[in-house]
Amino acid sequence: KAGVTQTPRYLIKTRGQQVTLSCSPISGHRSVSWYQQTPGQGLQFLFEYFSETQRNKGNFPGRFSGRQFSNSRSEMNVSTLELGDSALYLCASSLEQGANINYGYTFGSGTRLTVV
Amino acid sequence: KNQVEQSPQSLIILEGKNCTLQCNYTVSPFSNLRWYKQDTGRGPVSLTIMTFSENTKSNGRYTATLDADTKQSSLHITASQLSDSASYICVVSAARRDDKIIFGKGTRLHILP
Repeated sequence: KAGVTQTPRYLIKTRGQQVTLSCSPISGHRSVSWYQQTPGQGLQFLFEYFSETQRNKGNFPGRFSGRQFSNSRSEMNVSTLELGDSALYLCASSLEQGANINYGYTFGSGTRLTVV
Repeated sequence: KNQVEQSPQSLIILEGKNCTLQCNYTVSPFSNLRWYKQDTGRGPVSLTIMTFSENTKSNGRYTATLDADTKQSSLHITASQLSDSASYICVVSAARRDDKIIFGKGTRLHILP
């Protein structure tokens, strides 16, 4: 059974550009959550998608957006990149929405974004 | 405010020694607490999951404890190995289905040969 797949693994962009990251969840999982991880702040929740709808959102500016497709694959977009957006972006998939004990979260290996 | 605090921020021990990592939380109402191991450049991997009624859970050389009264958890690593070098993240979930999970900032563990 394949795990959570994130592409690309590494990305270098310049300030002002936009970027799209992709996440394919475990087969059968319907929830995809996105997180930003930086050395200083640790893991911070961006948003969660379930059945193609955003169900939860963290405290990030509108430059961060996402979507989920009918096959549960999800994309995250960051527009007008800033140096501070450099981070490891992780997605996690779950069978159902929310942090229910019975389902748990499985993380992908992340996309390392560097903004120069 | 829901918070998860981990200590120490970083820890260095010799291979073969034991160590204990701490996690204090103020999340309410409490649903479950998880410990994750995250190798450098990789995503976190779940080690243990505990609910309110569980106070100890083991996964090989990893043993997690939970004191729901004092809202404290610990992760004990026995006979450490070089491969244990990683960040260990404590994650607490609130009982409401649509609540976000709250992450600690992690403890960075270095095992020296």
